[in-house]
Amino acid sequence: DADVTQTPRNRITKTGKRIMLECSQTKGHDRMYWYRQDPGLGLRLIYYSFDVKDINKGEISDGYSVSRQAQAKFSLSLESAIPNQTALYFCATSVTTGSQSTEQFFGPGTRLTVL
Amino acid sequence: GIQVEQSPPDLILQEGANSTLRCNFSDSVNNLQWFHQNPWGQLINLFYIPSGTKQNGRLSATTVATERYSLLYISSSQTTDSGVYFCAVAGNRGSTLGRLYFGRGTQLTVWP
Repeated sequence: DADVTQTPRNRITKTGKRIMLECSQTKGHDRMYWYRQDPGLGLRLIYYSFDVKDINKGEISDGYSVSRQAQAKFSLSLESAIPNQTALYFCATSVTTGSQSTEQFFGPGTRLTVL
Repeated sequence: GIQVEQSPPDLILQEGANSTLRCNFSDSVNNLQWFHQNPWGQLINLFYIPSGTKQNGRLSATTVATERYSLLYISSSQTTDSGVYFCAVAGNRGSTLGRLYFGRGTQLTVWP
């Protein structure tokens, strides 16, 4: 079984709809992240969480919200989807070791299309 | 944030050829990762290499943190190496700590 799973894998929705993307991990990592990838670009950070009580905005958080329901679960919500949120969304995890930034591991991605 | 520049943006090779991909970054880092994104969009971890040299089969990577660059070497390329190669770094201070900043990637196409 995959260590980092994302649901759904593909989603088509309409402008104005509320959408939730879910991420679960079995790696036992405390840090979780949501990234977005647009065609021809690298990934950009939306939100990140270093533990269950810690939520931080990334580079492009406007229009998104997150919830860390448990150490193993991190959800991303689009309250009112718009077409320019059409993208490939990735969840990632890593483990805390002091001040060192450790290796991040990515889920398979969710392809979201907003019509 | 940290600026990450990758070169070349596109690379076309014949099967069996060797190649070098470069990643330059604008600040000191304590994490550098190389990824391969396959045609299905999945990101595959290749190397976690904040400094030094590592090898894994036909692939190897070197990071010279003091000069702010990393190189990914692919030898005897195969068609299955096709895809996009990303470099990503995380800083070692303040708001850059623990956050990955990605380059735009190198699109590699290997022809049989």
